[in-house]
Amino acid sequence: DTGVSQNPRHKITKRGQNVTFRCDPISEHNRLYWYRQTLGQGPEFLTYFQNEAQLEKSRLLSDRFSAERPKGSFSTLEIQRTEQGDSAMYLCASSLRTGRNTIYFGEGSWLTVV
Amino acid sequence: DQQVKQNSPSLSVQEGRISILNCDYTNSMFDYFLWYKKYPAEGPTFLISISSIKDKNEDGRFTVFLNKSAKHLSLHIVPSQPGDSAVYFCAASADTDKLIFGTGTRLQVFP
Repeated sequence: DTGVSQNPRHKITKRGQNVTFRCDPISEHNRLYWYRQTLGQGPEFLTYFQNEAQLEKSRLLSDRFSAERPKGSFSTLEIQRTEQGDSAMYLCASSLRTGRNTIYFGEGSWLTVV
Repeated sequence: DQQVKQNSPSLSVQEGRISILNCDYTNSMFDYFLWYKKYPAEGPTFLISISSIKDKNEDGRFTVFLNKSAKHLSLHIVPSQPGDSAVYFCAASADTDKLIFGTGTRLQVFP
């Protein structure tokens, strides 16, 4: 399977703990995106990379959130000092940046903060 | 400020009939529109897209119509099948490729 891969798929953590999610994009895709989705809402943009450069960050991405894509391949999203409001599905997506291209999503990582 | 709106939270359609899902947007800079389908606990799956230079795009049972003057697009599914039951999201982007999503419409196709 050569789609977007995310892990872990599910994470339950205690408030105040740090969590990290990993995303492996489709291999030839040079753009990688992180979105967050809560119940009853559509996915909300968090940030995106072109190769290893982080080009845009949403205001939703507080200082407790950090995303990296060190070699322009996989990416990590870390949440420090988790809060209950961080409970959501975190979605990774990728696209090939030549003109306007479709963005393909992974299956998501569910975070529950207790 | 909800730039992409899906005003119908749910839609129920009989198998074999047409499903029409609607989406409105407010940002005139949007020039690329997509529809995604989502099952519970899974990521969105791309269905069909349309550029603002077109007013219609068709792919099998799925057709998307774009009315730029009304800032409105719709997804038609003909004929509807039970496997189409899912939440459908409309998304739009300007030149940054950042997608802005609507809140989704839950489609249920019954036999």
